[in-house]
Amino acid sequence: SYALTQPPSVSVSPGQSARITCSGDALPKKYVHWYQQKSGQAPVLVIFEDNKRPSGIPERFSGSSSGTVATLTVSGAQVEDEADYFCYSTDNSNTWVFGGGTTVTVL
Amino acid sequence: EMQLVESGGGLVQPGGSLRLSCAASGFTFGRYWMTWVRQAPGKGLEWVANIKQDGSEKYYVDSVEGRFTISRDNAKNSLYLQMNSLRAEDTAVYYCARDRGDMDVWGKGTTVAVAS
Repeated sequence: SYALTQPPSVSVSPGQSARITCSGDALPKKYVHWYQQKSGQAPVLVIFEDNKRPSGIPERFSGSSSGTVATLTVSGAQVEDEADYFCYSTDNSNTWVFGGGTTVTVL
Repeated sequence: EMQLVESGGGLVQPGGSLRLSCAASGFTFGRYWMTWVRQAPGKGLEWVANIKQDGSEKYYVDSVEGRFTISRDNAKNSLYLQMNSLRAEDTAVYYCARDRGDMDVWGKGTTVAVAS
């Protein structure tokens, strides 16, 4: 079955950029979407269709995709950006998958 | 304000059944695919099932195929998940979400615990 691979954790100092990768064989042909989930809360969409930002999401969140790797970047990460981040996509089999998630620590 | 509210979770014994509901408001429910996502304690997100606007297409993750049934009632702005033959590994918070390909509106979730 299809799988998306993320690093388990990323740690940055406040003001630095946090970069989270998501690898998947179908990503050259399929969009990836990114979700932020803070402890005890529902997920929030922060990037859709590789690089689009929903209204209300800060500009420091950006996305890109090249070949089989998509990247979520939090530029100038702030303490409030500490959360789990999940990528989400499909391999065109009418089923969808999430990456395993990346815990971002800002300290 | 767009809103999704899940209900119907609870404690059930292995082999038992539950029916989850998701009430939508603030948007035209019948225009969107809808999806259920779950999250086991301390684990990541798992896509469970989705359903087309008119209910004519439904898709499931392999682990629930044949045990869970997704359905909707557009007249009642409601989404459902009938869960049968429940297993311990189905224990999770279940979220419903509006599906545009991405999922842009989520409920707060309802908790399902399968234990004897």
